[in-house]
Amino acid sequence: NAGVTQTPKFRILKIGQSMTLQCTQDMNHNYMYWYRQDPGMGLKLIYYSVGAGITDKGEVPNGYNVSRSTTEDFPLRLELAAPSQTSVYFCASSYSGSVPYNSPLHFGNGTRLTVT
Amino acid sequence: AQSVTQLGSHVSVSEGALVLLRCNYSSSVPPYLFWYVQYPNQGLQLLLKYTTGATLVKGINGFEAEFKKSETSFHLTKPSAHMSDAAEYFCAVSDTNTGNQFYFGTGTSLTVIP
Repeated sequence: NAGVTQTPKFRILKIGQSMTLQCTQDMNHNYMYWYRQDPGMGLKLIYYSVGAGITDKGEVPNGYNVSRSTTEDFPLRLELAAPSQTSVYFCASSYSGSVPYNSPLHFGNGTRLTVT
Repeated sequence: AQSVTQLGSHVSVSEGALVLLRCNYSSSVPPYLFWYVQYPNQGLQLLLKYTTGATLVKGINGFEAEFKKSETSFHLTKPSAHMSDAAEYFCAVSDTNTGNQFYFGTGTSLTVIP
């Protein structure tokens, strides 16, 4: 099984450029998440989605946008890239059945983004 | 708001020695607790989780963790470290108040000395 797939693996952007980080999962999970990981800071939630057509902000949403048109895909859009967005971005998914919040996250391998 | 504290951003142990990685959480309701491991240039993988029931939870690769409500702790242990255990370890918490969100600690980097 592919699980959670993220593309690209690496990207260098110039300040002010835009890009979309792609994330797709083949596990039919209803929940999907975007995190950023900075050294010594752990993972911070950017946006999440509980199902197609539904998205919500996490802890650090500024400068990002998401959409969820299908169960499988959850792209993250960066508009007007800034150096503060240099980070490693992880997409994750989980299945929330009859008991919410106790299903573990399945992570992709990350996208390493540098903004210069 | 929920929070997770991992004491010690770097831990070094000798091969064969006990591994102890500490995690304390704050939650006003019964929590769900998780430990994840991250190897270089990879995403996080689930080691183990506590939801309800037995407070001693066994995971993959010989790791286990004990939920102690009175201490609000969920420390990760392994009796004998192996070189392949060298990685970054993250503790995470969720509960019915977190609105589908998971809160992660800042991570502990484990070095195993041969």
